[in-house]
Amino acid sequence: AQTVTQSQPEMSVQEAETVTLSCTYDTSESDYYLFWYKQPPSRQMILVIRQEAYKQQNATENRFSVNFQKAAKSFSLKISDSQLGDAAMYFCAYRSAMRAQKLVFGQGTRLTINP
Amino acid sequence: DAGVIQSPRHEVTEMGQEVTLRCKPISGHNSLFWYRQTMMRGLELLIYFNNNVPIDDSGMPEDRFSAKMPNASFSTLKIQPSEPRDSAVYFCASSSGGGLAGGVTLETQYFGPGTRLLVL
Repeated sequence: AQTVTQSQPEMSVQEAETVTLSCTYDTSESDYYLFWYKQPPSRQMILVIRQEAYKQQNATENRFSVNFQKAAKSFSLKISDSQLGDAAMYFCAYRSAMRAQKLVFGQGTRLTINP
Repeated sequence: DAGVIQSPRHEVTEMGQEVTLRCKPISGHNSLFWYRQTMMRGLELLIYFNNNVPIDDSGMPEDRFSAKMPNASFSTLKIQPSEPRDSAVYFCASSSGGGLAGGVTLETQYFGPGTRLLVL
């Protein structure tokens, strides 16, 4: 079974600075998808960014980018120019490309932005 | 688009009572997921439907839990009888595509706002 590990329960960063959230996963599959979801205090789950494992190029969405290291099974999220609205729980998730669409989530990292 | 709609947003009930959670997926989406979020276990999939058919219910904790999808625009998750350990936030999510046959393309799962359930 696939597992996702987020080793940082909490992180904090000064507003306007850059922060990196870590995620590692374990799988025997070669084809899969990886996601970062954001959960603000409203508890809504919001997709931040996604990556296909077959793509070598790291995904980027405005201030959010990932560092995808397939051999190391690592998928970190970098947030540049942090804003107060970025404060939330961030979840890393894995989805197999070979079978049902079940998302496997990490335990989450709580990100605090200091003004 | 209205997004995924869940009701109720909050539910407080007593142990032993029946609880029904409802979900309306995004129009045109044919895959629907029920997740549960707790402090102890994090986010975990309970059941997944594709074209109204349950595909994977391995996450349903026990016989007290049941889920139905009578049509493409409505699903229910029922707990009967409820227990205090069922207290959690229950999310419904939907996406397009899916199924077990052939390749699986990258479809994003869009989540509803969740139902916060408290069983006393």
